[in-house]
Amino acid sequence: SYVLTQPPSVSEAPGKTARISCGGNNIGSKSVHWYQQKPGQAPVLVMYSDSDRPSGITERFSGSKSGSMATLTISRVEAGDEAAYYCQVWDIYSDHWVFGGGTMLTVL
Amino acid sequence: EVQLVDSGGGLVQPGGSLRLSCEASGFIFNRYAMTWVRQGPGRGLEWVSSISGSGGTIYSADSVKGRFTISRDNSKNTLYLAMSSLRAEDTAMYYCARERDIAVANNWFDSWGQGTLVTVSS
Repeated sequence: SYVLTQPPSVSEAPGKTARISCGGNNIGSKSVHWYQQKPGQAPVLVMYSDSDRPSGITERFSGSKSGSMATLTISRVEAGDEAAYYCQVWDIYSDHWVFGGGTMLTVL
Repeated sequence: EVQLVDSGGGLVQPGGSLRLSCEASGFIFNRYAMTWVRQGPGRGLEWVSSISGSGGTIYSADSVKGRFTISRDNSKNTLYLAMSSLRAEDTAMYYCARERDIAVANNWFDSWGQGTLVTVSS
């Protein structure tokens, strides 16, 4: 089955740039989506199709993909960005949605 | 405004059954595929099952295949998840989510319900 690998945690100071990676075999051929989940809340879509931002999501969030890695970048990190972030793809070989294990962003 | 309201969770014994509901409003329900996603205590997101807008296409995770059945009633704007032969490892918050297109796959989840908690324990 297809696997997406994310680092369990990322820490960054306020005002700096945080980068959250998501690795997977042949991820370049898939559309990657990203969700933010704060404690006790439902997930929220923050990026779709690798690098498109939904309306209402701050432009500080951006997405990219290169080689076998997709990256969610959060510029000028704020305390309110502290949350778990999950990447997601559709695996056409298994007809399954796949989530990464999630990355907890801590704002120092 | 898109709204998804999850309900039906509760405490159930191992081997028992439960049916979850997700009532949708604020959009034309049959034009969107729908999905169930769960999250065990302290764990990440796990996809459970998806159904196309017409209900004609269904995909399910291997971990629930044969035990869980997703369905929808487009006349009632409601999504369901019938769960049977429940196990302790099915204990989780269950969320319904709207997919961006009428067909499952290769789109994204643009709205989520608030979740309903299922606890499987004796």
